[in-house]
Amino acid sequence: AQKVTQAQTEISVVEKEDVTLDCVYETRDTTYYLFWYKQPPSGELVFLIRRNSFDEQNEISGRYSWNFQKSTSSFNFTITASQVVDSAVYFCALSTGFQKLVFGTGTRLLVSP
Amino acid sequence: DTGVSQDPRHKITKRGQNVTFRCDPISEHNRLYWYRQTLGQGPEFLTYFQNEAQLEKSRLLSDRFSAERPKGSFSTLEIQRTEQGDSAMYLCASSLNSGEKLFFGSGTQLSVL
Repeated sequence: AQKVTQAQTEISVVEKEDVTLDCVYETRDTTYYLFWYKQPPSGELVFLIRRNSFDEQNEISGRYSWNFQKSTSSFNFTITASQVVDSAVYFCALSTGFQKLVFGTGTRLLVSP
Repeated sequence: DTGVSQDPRHKITKRGQNVTFRCDPISEHNRLYWYRQTLGQGPEFLTYFQNEAQLEKSRLLSDRFSAERPKGSFSTLEIQRTEQGDSAMYLCASSLNSGEKLFFGSGTQLSVL
C-alpha cells in the first residue's frame, strides 16, 4: 500500500523567513512519482512539481526548492524568503505504476507580514 | 486549454435526496479522477477512468455512489440517498496519461442538511 505522511499540521512564519515542509512516503514499488500541490484559500489545487523515483536531483524553481532522498523516503519542500502570498495548504502526493495519486493530509502554512 | 470545469460549484440538499455532479476535463486528457476532500484533510481518491472505462473504485465509494464517463469525455458523479456524512468537496481532475500531473477543477461543495 502507498502512504504519504506530512507530520506538520500547521507552520507559522514571518515574511522573509525560510520554511521547510516535510513529506515522508511509503511504497514497495521501485517506480513511482512524487508531487507537491498548493491549495490556496480559493480552494483549487495547483500543481507545483513532479519528480520520478529515478531522478534524485534536487530542483530549484525561484524561491522554491525540493530535496528528494530515497534513502529516507522523503521529498521535502523549502520556500526561501517566504511571502504572504505563500500562505496556503501544501499537499505532498505519491503515484505508483498506473495508479491514482495518494495525498498526505497537508501542511497549512501561514506567513504573516 | 480551458482547464477542468465542474458544475455546480455549490450544492445544498436534504438528507435522502439524490445529487449529480458534472466534470468536464481538459479535452485531450485520457484520464479522469474523482476525489473527495473534507475539512482539514487531503483529497481522498474515489474513482478514475481511462477514456470511458472505469478502472478503479475506492472502498470509500459505497453502492450509493456511481460515476460514468460516456464516450470518454465529461463525467458525472451521482450520489443516491445522500447522508450528512457525504458533505464534502468533490474534486475532479484529469491527466494526459498515468504518472502525469493532475489538473484539478475548482470542486463542487456538497452540503447535506
